Amino acid sequence: AQSVTQLGSHVSVSEGALVLLRCNYSSSVPPYLFWYVQYPNQGLQLLLKYTSAATLVKGINGFEAEFKKSETSFHLTKPSAHMSDAAEYFCAVRNIGNEKLTFGTGTRLTIIP
Amino acid sequence: DTEVTQTPKHLVMGMTNKKSLKCEQHMGHRAMYWYKQKAKKPPELMFVYSYEKLSINESVPSRFSPECPNSSLLNLHLHALQPEDSALYLCASSQMVPTAYSTDTQYFGPGTRLTVL
Repeated sequence: AQSVTQLGSHVSVSEGALVLLRCNYSSSVPPYLFWYVQYPNQGLQLLLKYTSAATLVKGINGFEAEFKKSETSFHLTKPSAHMSDAAEYFCAVRNIGNEKLTFGTGTRLTIIP
Repeated sequence: DTEVTQTPKHLVMGMTNKKSLKCEQHMGHRAMYWYKQKAKKPPELMFVYSYEKLSINESVPSRFSPECPNSSLLNLHLHALQPEDSALYLCASSQMVPTAYSTDTQYFGPGTRLTVL
């Protein structure tokens, strides 16, 4: 079964520092990959998605992710963290032709002033 | 417009009550989903409706009863719930384009915070 692993359930970075949230998928065929953000007491908001059109994907709020087939990874980055980036981040994967979206366990991002 | 709306925002109910959660989207999406999310956990899929027909039921207890009256609306009827059913219930929708080459991105609503006493 398709799965996705998020390394680090909790990541802390200083304001202005690089944000790196890790996501690895398990599949022999590149799936569709997504990053969602969830602010406290809110639903999930789509940050970006991998569609096979480009390996470097730019999303909202200055985030981007790079698909690396050789490493089966889709890590999320942002060059300079802002206090408003503090939230829970979920990586998710969907197989081609499959309705189901499989989520990683999530990474809580804390920004240190 | 990628908005999915859910009502109510918060719901408190007793174990003998009957209540319903509502979800609405006007994006022309033909797939709609119910998820359950416990604190500090990822969302767990409960049901999927495709073209107003139930296509996936993830072995959810019968005290949860989904309904899709039309392509824009999705309900979740609740009856005789248990305290462990307290959670954030999320609705999502996607375009359900009938091709293998679509990402079929799911868009989520803000959720209903349910507390069962």
